[in-house]
Amino acid sequence: NAGVTQTPKFRILKIGQSMTLQCAQDMNHNYMYWYRQDPGMGLKLIYYSVGAGITDKGEVPNGYNVSRSTTEDFPLRLELAAPSQTSVYFCASSYSISRGADGYTFGSGTRLTVV
Amino acid sequence: GESVGLHLPTLSVQEGDNSIINCAYSNSASDYFIWYKQESGKGPQFIIDIRSNMDKRQGQRVTVLLNKTVKHLSLQIAATQPGDSAVYFCAETQAGTALIFGKGTTLSVSS
Repeated sequence: NAGVTQTPKFRILKIGQSMTLQCAQDMNHNYMYWYRQDPGMGLKLIYYSVGAGITDKGEVPNGYNVSRSTTEDFPLRLELAAPSQTSVYFCASSYSISRGADGYTFGSGTRLTVV
Repeated sequence: GESVGLHLPTLSVQEGDNSIINCAYSNSASDYFIWYKQESGKGPQFIIDIRSNMDKRQGQRVTVLLNKTVKHLSLQIAATQPGDSAVYFCAETQAGTALIFGKGTTLSVSS
């Protein structure tokens, strides 16, 4: 099915561990995004990419890194996990960064707990 | 920084009632707004959008109203059904920027 695929769905990390959250889309969208959602809160933009090889910081980039080597994939890297990074992470993609009849297409999320 | 907020964190309605979910935005430069629905354990799903050159837009059972004078956005759901129970977010953007989301309103529909 066309859309945004995120893996894993759940993960528990120990403080100081690292991991990569995977995101792939098959809609040939140029724009991709990583958001985090804390309990009872809206989504905060971590990083985004306007195309392969180009990434930019969002509202809350500290503690994260991204890369965009292909149009399809946009992995999010946590190098030294901290409890403050416990959250649900959503990847999204879109045809346009701020336009588009359907807005953004979101993945189903990765629930990360850092203990 | 600029942000989009919602007036009420929760809204409880009876099945068949009309629901109104409100959102206040602070960035007067925002010119495109979207309402998303998020069910438990899922990512946000697009409901309806509106551009700043419009005051109203209707979809199937949903209507979005935009009042630029007071920077207010609302989502009206007609004949609310139990399947409408979810968290609703408004989001805003201006040309060239990524979406900024509000905190969300939890809609609970009882039979």
